[in-house]
Amino acid sequence: QVQLKETGPDLVQLTQTLSITCTVSGFSLTTYNVHWVRQPPGKGLEWMGAMWNGGGTDYNSAFKSRLSISRDTSKSQVFLKMNSLQTDDTAKYFCARRGYGGYYFDYWGQGVMVTVSS
Amino acid sequence: DIQMTQSPASLSASLGETVTIECLASEDIYSNLAWYQQKPGKSPQLLIYYANSLNDGVPSRFSGSGSGTQYSLKINSLQSEDVSIYFCQQNYDSPYTFGAGTKLELK
Repeated sequence: QVQLKETGPDLVQLTQTLSITCTVSGFSLTTYNVHWVRQPPGKGLEWMGAMWNGGGTDYNSAFKSRLSISRDTSKSQVFLKMNSLQTDDTAKYFCARRGYGGYYFDYWGQGVMVTVSS
Repeated sequence: DIQMTQSPASLSASLGETVTIECLASEDIYSNLAWYQQKPGKSPQLLIYYANSLNDGVPSRFSGSGSGTQYSLKINSLQSEDVSIYFCQQNYDSPYTFGAGTKLELK
């Protein structure tokens, strides 16, 4: 059964670095791509970036050089790291699986709500 | 970046009614369009992919159509459990942008 679960801090201080782990089960990271999407409270969804099954990455340029995505295939984990956090980075952060050979996100994690505090 | 303009922003409809939500892409996305349903406090759930393919387990009252830059999601015979926010997303080109969402409520 396919599952994704995000774990990370509830609270991050202004200008500090956010680290979130997406642990997956029921599929292999070497077969499927995993993406990161965030949603500020009461707002829409914003695509952040992706870890391709081949190990490459893709980033939304809106995050410039603040964002880094990596993985540990032996642990079935994908990592998001974003530095220089601001208050408008307060959001729920989701990881999602892209369908095999498909152009859609077929499974999502429950998300982790992160508040950036000044 | 491809802009996705979703309308309406909110919609109020009665049980049993048919509703339509639309998404306009700023350029041709060649049917690489997905629709998601999001209930309060939950993660988005895939409804439709490739513009008109119904995801497994999604009721047949949901349907998608469109091509090029114009796409729509139709819900026939609205049920109470359809009260949600609906998002479109283009998966044609990075960044894989979403529409702003449509909040569907019962009248």
